[in-house]
Amino acid sequence: SQTIHQWPATLVQPVGSPLSLECTVEGTSNPNLYWYRQAAGRGLQLLFYSVGIGQISSEVPQNLSASRPQDRQFILSSKKLLLSDSGFYLCAWRNRDRVTGELFFGEGSRLTVL
Amino acid sequence: GNSVTQMEGPVTLSEEAFLTINCTYTATGYPSLFWYVQYPGEGLQLLLKATKADDKGSNKGFEATYRKETTSFHLEKGSVQVSDSAVYFCALSDRTGGFKTIFGAGTRLFVKA
Repeated sequence: SQTIHQWPATLVQPVGSPLSLECTVEGTSNPNLYWYRQAAGRGLQLLFYSVGIGQISSEVPQNLSASRPQDRQFILSSKKLLLSDSGFYLCAWRNRDRVTGELFFGEGSRLTVL
Repeated sequence: GNSVTQMEGPVTLSEEAFLTINCTYTATGYPSLFWYVQYPGEGLQLLLKATKADDKGSNKGFEATYRKETTSFHLEKGSVQVSDSAVYFCALSDRTGGFKTIFGAGTRLFVKA
């Protein structure tokens, strides 16, 4: 069966520090991968998506970046965090052959920037 | 562009009450529609889905019918339990939107014993 894991689960970082959140998927090949952010009391904002290794599409201009160095690995990064980067970050995958199918989400990473 | 609008929360109900959470959408194509649920401190998980007009998705006592004429996908449950307390998200995905899923803002449900 397919599984998705992301880490760390919780992170507290000072303003201006770097960030790296990692997400891996097991049990499937060539997934479409997504990073969403959920700010406190708000909905989900799509940040990045990827349809293949090295292929990244950005939805919102910001100081975050994403990379996909391997087929089932998706990384969210920042060189210098801002207070506004605080939130709950969710990685998700979808079967590439089902472009309108459901998303499968990881457990989430809660980032607090102080 | 595509969009999803769902009723604002929080919604507070007593156990065994009837639940309706309204959801309407705007889409240029023929979308698939979803309801996801998020329990405290967790990621989202699919609750139910419908892929074409008049389809009814159902799971765990929850139901939603894809109404193309009213562009709606309202979530209903006849008798809620305390364990249903969570945030519920309506979402859509279609080919004209590329590979993206668009979510509503979420509706928080509190069920009191």
